[in-house]
Amino acid sequence: GQQLNQSPQSMFIQEGEDVSMNCTSSSIFNTWLWYKQDPGEGPVLLIALYKAGELTSNGRLTAQFGITRKDSFLNISASIPSDVGIYFCAGRSSGTYKYIFGTGTRLKVLA
Amino acid sequence: GAGVSQSPSNKVTEKGKDVELRCDPISGHTALYWYRQRLGQGLEFLIYFQGNSAPDKSGLPSDRFSAERTGESVSTLTIQRTQQEDSAVYLCASSPSPETQYFGPGTRLLVL
Repeated sequence: GQQLNQSPQSMFIQEGEDVSMNCTSSSIFNTWLWYKQDPGEGPVLLIALYKAGELTSNGRLTAQFGITRKDSFLNISASIPSDVGIYFCAGRSSGTYKYIFGTGTRLKVLA
Repeated sequence: GAGVSQSPSNKVTEKGKDVELRCDPISGHTALYWYRQRLGQGLEFLIYFQGNSAPDKSGLPSDRFSAERTGESVSTLTIQRTQQEDSAVYLCASSPSPETQYFGPGTRLLVL
């Protein structure tokens, strides 16, 4: 099935460092969602974005809806060990409930 | 509980058998989704239901896969004549609007 291009695929970082990841699409989206998935569990919604250029924060997490409406970015500041997991983006075009998911970014934090 | 629930949590079956996976969405959520996630992979859309509209089945990989939903409640995903490549986590999500979706814990299916 169709998936969005998400990068990086994986990353190791030191505790306390900031993290950036992004997601790109060939289609224009009206909604971007960012999720975190821990091993053996379902994805948990972190941030939702609904408007081009929108910048939304949730604690140490900040996400942006790209101006072109074809990309989105997630930043994590001052990473901690519990940030470990897989981060997925998901996008939706207008007129549908269907979401397309990114390929995931696997984050590992070194204490 | 208040979240999406799925059953069984784990299912081991033999190749060629049929399996049924169940999803109980959050009460009042009109949309319900099924996704497949193979080991180490992203989420692959299978099907979604929205109210009384015809379901979007565009992600179902073959005619061995089918899903039903009764009104705005429980949904069942059925896989007939299971194959080893069907082994994956099957995730269900529900939402009250197109603006978001909330996931259940998934059913881990292993086909021997």
